[in-house]
Amino acid sequence: LAKTTQPISMDSYEGQEVNITCSHNNIATNDYITWYQQFPSQGPRFIIQGYKTKVTNEVASLFIPADRKSSTLSLPRVSLSDTAVYYCLVGELSGSARQLTFGSGTQLTVLP
Amino acid sequence: NAGVMQNPRHLVRRRGQEARLRCSPMKGHSHVYWYRQLPEEGLKFMVYLQKENIIDESGMPKERFSAEFPKEGPSILRIQQVVRGDSAAYFCASSPNRGGTDTQYFGPGTRLTVL
Repeated sequence: LAKTTQPISMDSYEGQEVNITCSHNNIATNDYITWYQQFPSQGPRFIIQGYKTKVTNEVASLFIPADRKSSTLSLPRVSLSDTAVYYCLVGELSGSARQLTFGSGTQLTVLP
Repeated sequence: NAGVMQNPRHLVRRRGQEARLRCSPMKGHSHVYWYRQLPEEGLKFMVYLQKENIIDESGMPKERFSAEFPKEGPSILRIQQVVRGDSAAYFCASSPNRGGTDTQYFGPGTRLTVL
């Protein structure tokens, strides 16, 4: 059964770099990998998207190895306001069908 | 350019009633996705629609749930004869093209409470 997995939780301190990895063994060939941030009682907010290698924007970097079976979201110098749940979203192959699948989510807690 | 809009933001229904959740995609977006998030859980895909067509409903429960995205107007997620287990946050997302290659932008969600 196709499954996208992430660590359940991570703790970090302000100013540190945080790396969150998502495993997606059955990612569909043409699908991008997208990461979202979600605060309580809000909708997911787009962070970054990539297909392969490395993508960087003003808030994060995304590292994707050549086999694309995983991806790592990197948040540089986190602050208290980065405390949230982080999700990866991919299209996964389940048999011959493609299914949109969110990872299980990683609760990041940034400590002072 | 307004973001994805959902209404109502909060909806309370008694068991057996119907719930209608509305989603207006971002301007220029013709693809709509619905997700459900149970309390303390992650997001689960329900259905993917283009204008007037259901493309993928593999995540929709077989009974009581339906979705539409008419040529004019918002997308509607309809839940008939609600039960307590339907209590959840329902999020809508939109994209200009197919979700695999285009970013999905999410609305604020509708929080459904079934009494």
